[in-house]
Amino acid sequence: RKEVEQDPGPFNVPEGATVAFNCTYSNSASQSFFWYRQDCRKEPKLLMSVYSSGNEDGRFTAQLNRASQYISLLIRDSKLSDSATYLCVVRWGGGSQGNLIFGKGTKLSVKP
Amino acid sequence: DTGVSQNPRHKITKRGQNVTFRCDPISEHNRLYWYRQTLGQGPEFLTYFQNEAQLEKSRLLSDRFSAERPKGSFSTLEIQRTEQGDSAMYLCASSLLSRVDSPLHFGNGTRLTVT
Repeated sequence: RKEVEQDPGPFNVPEGATVAFNCTYSNSASQSFFWYRQDCRKEPKLLMSVYSSGNEDGRFTAQLNRASQYISLLIRDSKLSDSATYLCVVRWGGGSQGNLIFGKGTKLSVKP
Repeated sequence: DTGVSQNPRHKITKRGQNVTFRCDPISEHNRLYWYRQTLGQGPEFLTYFQNEAQLEKSRLLSDRFSAERPKGSFSTLEIQRTEQGDSAMYLCASSLLSRVDSPLHFGNGTRLTVT
């Protein structure tokens, strides 16, 4: 089983749509989870951390299901500027130890 | 700008040559990571440091790759006897070990092309 798996997409959606991305991870000891955003030919940048109780930042909502080892990102009211690749990131190990493993990313394209 | 700095931005080399990249992290950050990224893939973990100690190195990393962080500040990544398959973007990131979910701050990367 791959360490961090994401649907590569691409997801092509119209402006204003709601879109959801999923991510699964194989290390049950992992405790820290993030979503990063990467624009074409740019470095990844933190979008949001993922907390156990779920968390929301404006139009973005992240959820964590530890039992299923599953993370999700929901984007509401999609904007053209949301077009990017979304990377699921898992700290490989308990606590603050272990490296950070990236998924391959899910590409989102928002069309007018 | 006090972000993560990587040099050079681009490097073209011939197969068999050695190359060295440098990363200057955010000054107060004690963790430093190296990743490699190819087109259409997510960043692939190579190694990471906490201060000057190299805590983990990917099993996928061959003996041709070596990284150092001698004084716990900047880091270098050396690739010996480069191969065409080494062509990729090499990303450096730093973070502060202060709480569990400290995020990574990436540099702009060094793009390596091996001809």
